[in-house]
Amino acid sequence: AQSVSQHNHHVILSEAASLELGCNYSYGGTVNLFWYVQYPGQHLQLLLKYFSGDPLVKGIKGFEAEFIKSKFSFNLRKPSVQWSDTAEYFCAVINSGGYQKVTFGTGTKLQVIP
Amino acid sequence: NAGVTQTPKFQVLKTGQSMTLQCAQDMNHNSMYWYRQDPGMGLRLIYYSASEGTTDKGEVPNGYNVSRLNKREFSLRLESAAPSQTSVYFCASSGKIMNTEAFFGQGTRLTVV
Repeated sequence: AQSVSQHNHHVILSEAASLELGCNYSYGGTVNLFWYVQYPGQHLQLLLKYFSGDPLVKGIKGFEAEFIKSKFSFNLRKPSVQWSDTAEYFCAVINSGGYQKVTFGTGTKLQVIP
Repeated sequence: NAGVTQTPKFQVLKTGQSMTLQCAQDMNHNSMYWYRQDPGMGLRLIYYSASEGTTDKGEVPNGYNVSRLNKREFSLRLESAAPSQTSVYFCASSGKIMNTEAFFGQGTRLTVV
């Protein structure tokens, strides 16, 4: 069974600091990888996704993530965070075989201090 | 394009009452999901449906039943609500083919008193 681990549960940063959130998955086959963001009081929205090709993917609002297949990782990065990035971030994986099933990590709460 | 529509948005129940949360998607997706979200616990899968007529238990199915009425609709029923079921519930859907992400509904905030 596939699983997703997000090791940082709560991250506090000052504005302009750099961000890196870890995500590791376990699944032997081909996967699609995603980062979702949930702003306070809202539903989950897609931040970026990796299907194939260039392992460095760029998403909305200056976020990017790098897929490292050998490490089963898909870490999220942003060079300079803003107060408006305060949200919860979820990594997710969908397996490619048969019927697709989404598996989410437990989420990382990011708090950006002005 | 409506995407994934969940109703109701808010609900307060008394312990022991029953209710059904409705979810519909208009993207012709095969897979649909019900999650609950609780502080510090992320998203936990309650039930999953890979296609019309099939449902599978997720991590936390106890106290819930689901029905995949057709390809569009996937409902979640609480037969006898308990305070432990106070949570925010999200419905989601995803396609069968590759290169598709999951889309989420707006969520239902349920309080059981």
